[in-house]
Amino acid sequence: EVQLVESGGGLVQPGGSLRLSCAASGFKFSDYSMNWVRQAPGKGLESVSYISNTGSSIYYADSVKGRFTISRDNAKNSLYLQMNTLRADDTAVYYCARTYNWVSYYWGQGTLVTVSS
Amino acid sequence: DIQMTQSPSTLSASVGDRVTITCRASQTITSWLAWYQQKPGKAPKLLIYKASTLESGVPSRFSGSGSGTEFTLTISSLQPDDFATYYCQQYNSFSTFGQGTKVEIK
Repeated sequence: EVQLVESGGGLVQPGGSLRLSCAASGFKFSDYSMNWVRQAPGKGLESVSYISNTGSSIYYADSVKGRFTISRDNAKNSLYLQMNTLRADDTAVYYCARTYNWVSYYWGQGTLVTVSS
Repeated sequence: DIQMTQSPSTLSASVGDRVTITCRASQTITSWLAWYQQKPGKAPKLLIYKASTLESGVPSRFSGSGSGTEFTLTISSLQPDDFATYYCQQYNSFSTFGQGTKVEIK
C-alpha cells in the first residue's frame, strides 16, 4: 500500500524557516517524481514544487521561487521542502504527492504550516 | 502562466441529478488536464487524467471530456458520496489548478 506521511509543519514567525519531510513507503520511491501542493485555509490548491525521480529536474511556482528548495533522498525514501523567508501567505496545509507525468496519483494527509507573529 | 477558470464556483444539486462542471484554460493545454475530488479535511483524490481517462477504481458515473482550452467533468447520476469540491489541474506547463467547484446538497 502506498503511504506518504508528511511532517515538520508548525507555527513559525514571518521571515523564519521550516523544513518539511515526506516519508514514502509501499512503492519504489526512486522510480517516481514527487511534488508539493499546498492549500491555504478555505482556499484552493496550489502547486508549489516538483522534483523528478532522480532529482535532475526541479520546478517551482513563482510564488516560492528563491525561497523554497525541494530535494529528495532516494536511499531514505524521503522528500523534503526547505522553506525560508516565510510569509503570512505561505500559511497552508502542505501535501506531498507521488506523480506521474505531473498528475498526482497518491497524496499524503498534509501538514499545516502557520506563519504568524 | 496558464490560468484555469472553473464554473460554477458552487453548484446545488440533488441525488440522481446529472452534474456538469466546466474548466477553461487561458491557453491551449491539448489534453493535459486532470480532475480531483476533495472532501473537507481530506487530501484530494484523482478522478480523471488526460482529460478523459478514468483513474482505476473511480466509478463510471464520472466522465471527462474536452481538449484545447475547454473541458468538462460530468457526473451522470449524483450520489451522496459525491458531495465535495472538485478541482481541475492543467499540466501542460508546470501545474496550475482551477479555483474549485463545490457541489452541495440542494
